[in-house]
Amino acid sequence: DTEVTQTPKHLVMGMTNKKSLKCEQHMGHRAMYWYKQKAKKPPELMFVYSYEKLSINESVPSRFSPECPNSSLLNLHLHALQPEDSALYLCASSQTSEGAYEQYFGPGTRLTVT
Amino acid sequence: DAKTTQPPSMDCAEGRAANLPCNHSTISGNEYVYWYRQIHSQGPQYIIHGLKNNETNEMASLIITEDRKSSTLILPHATLRDTAVYYCIVRVVQGAQKLVFGQGTRLTINP
Repeated sequence: DTEVTQTPKHLVMGMTNKKSLKCEQHMGHRAMYWYKQKAKKPPELMFVYSYEKLSINESVPSRFSPECPNSSLLNLHLHALQPEDSALYLCASSQTSEGAYEQYFGPGTRLTVT
Repeated sequence: DAKTTQPPSMDCAEGRAANLPCNHSTISGNEYVYWYRQIHSQGPQYIIHGLKNNETNEMASLIITEDRKSSTLILPHATLRDTAVYYCIVRVVQGAQKLVFGQGTRLTINP
C-alpha cells in the first residue's frame, strides 16, 4: 500500500471557525509533511515531522497548528484563517526525513476560507 | 539547495518520446536531482532521482550530464495521461528533507 489519504477532500470554513485536516499513511514511514499550494503555483513546504516530532516549521503563522499523534497520522488544525489561506493543502510522507527517499503525496484538501 | 531552471511549457505528440530539460548549474557534489510531476488537481507524484549516473525505472529515464550541471527526463512513449506539470528539484540528502519546488514545466501531450 503506497497510499497517503487525506480528509476531507474539500472544506469551506468561515474566518471564525475551527477545523482540522487529517492525513494518514500505513507505509511505516517516519516522516510526514504539510505543503500549501496556491492556484497555479508550486507547492510550498509548511511543516516536517520526523519520528512524531516537529523538525521544521517554515515560519508558518500560528493559526495553522500541526499535530502528529502517532507515526501514521498527521493533523493540521486551523483557526481564525484568512481568505488568502484558501489553497490546496497537501500531505506527504517518506521513509525518513533524511536520505534519498522519495516523498509520497496525498490528493490534497482544497480549502476555501470565506 | 541549488536552484533549477526549466522551460515553462512544452508540447509532445502522443507516442513520441518527451524530453524535459533542467538546468542546475550551481549543483554541488552531494546534491541529488529529483523529478516529480503533478497532474491537474492531484498531489505530486515521484518519478525518479539520481546523483551522477543515468537512471531508469518503469516510468522514465534520467540522463545527467557528466558535469552534473543539467539533466533530462525522458518519457519514452508519452501518452495523454502524461500531461502534467513536471518539477525538477535539487536537494542535499543530508539533513531533513525539504523539497523546494520551482515553477516546473507544463507538458502537454497532443493526440
